[in-house]
Amino acid sequence: NAGVTQTPKFQVLKTGQSMTLQCAQDMNHEYMSWYRQDPGMGLRLIHYSVGAGITDQGEVPNGYNVSRSTTEDFPLRLLSAAPSQTSVYFCASSPIPLAGHHNEQFFGPGTRLTVL
Amino acid sequence: LAKTTQPISMDSYEGQEVNITCSHNNIATNDYITWYQQFPSQGPRFIIQGYKTKVTNEVASLFIPADRKSSTLSLPRVSLSDTAVYYCLVGDRQTGANNLFFGTGTRLTVIP
Repeated sequence: NAGVTQTPKFQVLKTGQSMTLQCAQDMNHEYMSWYRQDPGMGLRLIHYSVGAGITDQGEVPNGYNVSRSTTEDFPLRLLSAAPSQTSVYFCASSPIPLAGHHNEQFFGPGTRLTVL
Repeated sequence: LAKTTQPISMDSYEGQEVNITCSHNNIATNDYITWYQQFPSQGPRFIIQGYKTKVTNEVASLFIPADRKSSTLSLPRVSLSDTAVYYCLVGDRQTGANNLFFGTGTRLTVIP
């Protein structure tokens, strides 16, 4: 199993450009999510999905769109990149837990994005 | 969601036992406590999870007192490769989700 894969590893954008960060997992996990991590800080949840066709907002969703057409893929779209979106982006997946429980999340290697 | 508080940083010499304490005063009855480890330029990695008393695996031990308002991650005989940021998280009570809410974590530096 490849686990969680993310592409690209690095990306530089100009302000106003759009792009899609790719995330795929081969563990048949229902839950997938996107986090961003700014220097010296913990991860913040952007969007998440509990299954194909179902997405929801996390803590910092503005400026990002997601879709979940298959169980395996969960792309993150930046509609109009801004310097404030310079960050490292992590995708994660897991089985869905019972309420209050937590299932181990498997994280991808991250995408380092710079917006000029 | 229950908030967690942990020290910003800790230093330890190689071979010592390291204990990182996390407080979670507002933990809910059915919430689990989970710890993740993050190395530089990598995504977080699950270390251990527990509900009460003590849990041990090949990497660490987790001690949870009866009132569950705090927990302690114990790393036995740390090595340089244990230098990382350690996050304490409390489960999200929202049914069907598995959201994690990270704080700034504890930056552990192991000194030779």
